[in-house]
Amino acid sequence: SVLTQPPSVSGAPGQRVTISCTGSNSNIGAGFDVHWYQQLPGAAPKLLIFGNSNRPSGVPDRFSGSKSGTSASLAITGLQAEDEADYYCQSFDANLSGSRIFGGGTKLTVL
Amino acid sequence: EVQLVESGGGLVRPGESLRLSCAASGFTVSSNSMSWVRQAPGKGLEWVSLIYNGGATYYADSVRGRFTISRDTSKNILYLQMSSLRPEDTALYYCAREELNYDYYYYYMDVWGKGTTVTVSS
Repeated sequence: SVLTQPPSVSGAPGQRVTISCTGSNSNIGAGFDVHWYQQLPGAAPKLLIFGNSNRPSGVPDRFSGSKSGTSASLAITGLQAEDEADYYCQSFDANLSGSRIFGGGTKLTVL
Repeated sequence: EVQLVESGGGLVRPGESLRLSCAASGFTVSSNSMSWVRQAPGKGLEWVSLIYNGGATYYADSVRGRFTISRDTSKNILYLQMSSLRPEDTALYYCAREELNYDYYYYYMDVWGKGTTVTVSS
């Protein structure tokens, strides 16, 4: 994937975890915005964060996003069992027609 | 309620064709930009194709020349015509609405369907 995410992260209930999304100067570093999607087991992806740090209505404020340089991060505080899911970052790349790119995804395990 | 429902998936042999449909409700497909995204078994998300509300179309390198995205305004349906299918096209195919943030001019996929499964195998 053009965007690199750790394959897995884990944390105990109540803890804070972060998921990184590393790109390059042709995508995140070029100023393109980053979005995050949550995919619960057996379900379709759901928009979690848009425009680097904005939460859609209904998404708890335990989820937050940030972007700096060629990377972005998703932070989840007060980890809950129902947060166990796959998380994907998405951005745009100036070198690709259509330009939409996804990270490889990160499996979050709640211990 | 804003909703997307995909259909048309199935089992086909390599080289055959298939047309996927994505029926929208609660909004107008032609007034929005729309994407197809696929997910191979056990793998991550891969963007496949995009049609802007103005009609311009784009494709991932892996499908360009084989897949065609289109829409039917009267039926409010998005399509993905797939030809010369290969085993590596086997995936769950999602359609998604691309919402535009007018302040900072970026798109994001805010509504997703549940997907339709395409299996390419001999």
